[in-house]
Amino acid sequence: DTEVTQTPKHLVMGMTNKKSLKCEQHMGHRAMYWYKQKAKKPPELMFVYSYEKLSINESVPSRFSPECPNSSLLNLHLHALQPEDSALYLCASSQWDSPLHFGNGTRLTVT
Amino acid sequence: GIQVEQSPPDLILQEGANSTLRCNFSDSVNNLQWFHQNPWGQLINLFYIPSGTKQNGRLSATTVATERYSLLYISSSQTTDSGVYFCAHSENNNDMRFGAGTRLTVKP
Repeated sequence: DTEVTQTPKHLVMGMTNKKSLKCEQHMGHRAMYWYKQKAKKPPELMFVYSYEKLSINESVPSRFSPECPNSSLLNLHLHALQPEDSALYLCASSQWDSPLHFGNGTRLTVT
Repeated sequence: GIQVEQSPPDLILQEGANSTLRCNFSDSVNNLQWFHQNPWGQLINLFYIPSGTKQNGRLSATTVATERYSLLYISSSQTTDSGVYFCAHSENNNDMRFGAGTRLTVKP
């Protein structure tokens, strides 16, 4: 069982929909991450939150909007996505200079 | 950014065989880690190994930071070892970035 919980596991959405991905960890980690992974590719860093503040945005399109309501929660709000945004979205957390822990991911399909 | 070369890109083994996976870096890296992604997409952290050698059962890892490479050893491979192995590193504060991966298939 993973200590980082992501919901939902699967999501199908239309290009005009608004949806949110959720991530929760209770390990006291102060860094939280969103990654995007396409088939047969490595995870690609999207956002990093450090002490609940956005510290890294890898030039991600504004149709992806991250939010960190508190130290345990991380959301990714989705709006007006394109079919090419279909991918596995992974959340991770870590403490400084320590192992990165991943959730099981959300498989997103944009129709 | 730092260039990462993972080798080999693909590897097919017979069950029971040993293997060595490698990551080379173009510059000094921080927070070096090894991950296994199983066929269902779960990413499991195998080692946090910025330097030195660690062992966990049939797996061990060595990082030689001064020579900018890291090795992952898998001994007596099992079919459950199949999947993709990634090395990951950070260049600045916690920007953990992944290599292209080694896809391992272990045949019974």
